[in-house]
Amino acid sequence: GENVGLHLPTLSVQEGDNSIINCAYSNSASDYFIWYKQESGKGPQFIIDIRSNMDKRQGQRVTVLLNKTVKHLSLQIAATQPGDSAVYFCAENNFGNEKLTFGTGTRLTIIP
Amino acid sequence: DAMVIQNPRYQVTQFGKPVTLSCSQTLNHNVMYWYQQKSSQAPKLLFHYYDKDFNNEADTPDNFQSRRPNTSFCFLDIRSPGLGDAAMYLCATSRDLRGLAVLAGYEQYFGPGTRLTVT
Repeated sequence: GENVGLHLPTLSVQEGDNSIINCAYSNSASDYFIWYKQESGKGPQFIIDIRSNMDKRQGQRVTVLLNKTVKHLSLQIAATQPGDSAVYFCAENNFGNEKLTFGTGTRLTIIP
Repeated sequence: DAMVIQNPRYQVTQFGKPVTLSCSQTLNHNVMYWYQQKSSQAPKLLFHYYDKDFNNEADTPDNFQSRRPNTSFCFLDIRSPGLGDAAMYLCATSRDLRGLAVLAGYEQYFGPGTRLTVT
């Protein structure tokens, strides 16, 4: 399943399938990007980050892709599990600025 | 093991009755942040401390105040809570990156949040 951005804040994916969550960021000068996962009633949890001099970074079951030309960030989750159900936020940062700018979030629901 | 601790996890206060939320951290980070998060929305930054330097966001109401008595602790004071202040309040920390030879991003570490209910 694939989310096409801010107009589709909810994404449902069958367990075991791959999911793609998209984020359009606002500042072309941003140097650093983070994906956070937030489960119900909990604080955001760091998943993966990427610097602007990279276009792809992989973690365990997750991959972040960065397209600076169109200011687009995506999070790919492979072989989704029920525990992946959460709201996912992208956040951007400029080096030297200690503040993050958060995207609006996407709610991912894994269907058993 | 908890790195950013928030107390209490749930707080109920009455309309207009001052309330204080607390945050502590074991990471020895220089930067501490307070966010307000309402249902199905992104966290909204209220203010942050860089060491002892307080940085308020332009749209944070005067009703919200903060104190940071030392590196480990930071408090959020809501002087006269209104019904619209019911939300999750998140504390976060970040390490000091100023003066580093290599540019780096400010990854923020979040606490579990305090859910505030105003009756």
